[in-house]
Amino acid sequence: AQTVTQSQPEMSVQEAETVTLSCTYDTSESDYYLFWYKQPPSRQMILVIRQEAYKQQNATENRFSVNFQKAAKSFSLKISDSQLGDAAMYFCAYRSADFGNEKLTFGTGTRLTIIP
Amino acid sequence: NAGVTQTPKFRILKIGQSMTLQCTQDMNHNYMYWYRQDPGMGLKLIYYSVGAGITDKGEVPNGYNVSRSTTEDFPLRLELAAPSQTSVYFCASNTGPYNEQFFGPGTRLTVL
Repeated sequence: AQTVTQSQPEMSVQEAETVTLSCTYDTSESDYYLFWYKQPPSRQMILVIRQEAYKQQNATENRFSVNFQKAAKSFSLKISDSQLGDAAMYFCAYRSADFGNEKLTFGTGTRLTIIP
Repeated sequence: NAGVTQTPKFRILKIGQSMTLQCTQDMNHNYMYWYRQDPGMGLKLIYYSVGAGITDKGEVPNGYNVSRSTTEDFPLRLELAAPSQTSVYFCASNTGPYNEQFFGPGTRLTVL
């Protein structure tokens, strides 16, 4: 079974600075998808970024980028130029590429605080 | 588009009571999911559906039932509420298994 570990329960960063959130996962599969979701106080789950394991290039979405290290099974999220609106819980998630295996496996989350 | 809507937003149940959590999406998504989120934890999949008339168990299905008679609706039924079912419940949908899941705002359920 796959597991996702987020070892930082809480992180804080000064506004406009850069912060990196860590995520490691355990799997025996070679093809899969990784996601970062943001959950603000409204509880809505919002997709931040997604990475396909077969792609070597790291995904980027504006101020958000990932460092995907397949051999190390590591998938960290970097937030540049942090803004107050980035304050939220961030969840790392894993999904098998096997058709029919619909489960998204989530980590326990990292609470990010932005210091003005 | 309203996206994924869930009702109610909050509910308190007594042990042994039953209720149905409603989920509706207006994006014509075939895939729909139910998750629960316990305090300090990530989401866990309860049930999912790949289309009308088709449902399957997720990671934590015990104590729940679902049905999918239409593309839009995917209700989650709790038959005999137990304190262990106190949680926040999220419904989600997407166009296919590898695509972004769109989440509803959640239902906070307390069983006393």
